Amino acid sequence: EPEVTQTPSHQVTQMGQEVILRCVPISNHLYFYWYRQILGQKVEFLVSFYNNEISEKSEIFDDQFSVERPDGSNFTLKIRSTKLEDSAMYFCASSDSWDRVPSNQPQHFGDGTRLSIL
Amino acid sequence: AQKVTQAQTEISVVEKEDVTLDCVYETRDTTYYLFWYKQPPSGELVFLIRRNSFDEQNEISGRYSWNFQKSTSSFNFTITASQVVDSAVYFCALSEAGGYQKVTFGIGTKLQVIP
Repeated sequence: EPEVTQTPSHQVTQMGQEVILRCVPISNHLYFYWYRQILGQKVEFLVSFYNNEISEKSEIFDDQFSVERPDGSNFTLKIRSTKLEDSAMYFCASSDSWDRVPSNQPQHFGDGTRLSIL
Repeated sequence: AQKVTQAQTEISVVEKEDVTLDCVYETRDTTYYLFWYKQPPSGELVFLIRRNSFDEQNEISGRYSWNFQKSTSSFNFTITASQVVDSAVYFCALSEAGGYQKVTFGIGTKLQVIP
């Protein structure tokens, strides 16, 4: 079964540095997402991306964050000038075209990147 | 706005006991999807089930079963004959039916199965 893959699995970065988290969504999916989970807390929506632009973002997704689909396969989350509170697990997800409803395919999540800011 | 409430933050059961994890949701959408995910200590999100709002049939998959009641906005999850490998955090979640399908998660229920 196709999977969403995320790299690296664990990223350690000094506070103030920039970090890029990478994701390869499922190849025929059209919608892409990033979520964040601070340790011990719930999974929170950050941003959704469709047709090469942001379709929705949460209040967490401020100017420090950006997303990009630099080529036909990768989907990246960039965090500029990282802060201690950015330490979290970051999940990428992708989903199929909504107009294929009813679809039995859920939104597919990657295994996450654990980001540790020192 | 969408909201998912999991009132039980932690549950401990002895192996082989049955356990039910509660989930109550709020949405203004008439069509939506409900999910359950399992998060083992390794951290990944393991998809368990997705349910459409127009399909209220309960579902059973092995030791897992789900009870969807639209009248009470609940989507409860039962594990029968629990096993130590079931120990994990379980998230209930909700998404719109169309468009961007942003998923709103509950806070999670940490299940510990004691041998």
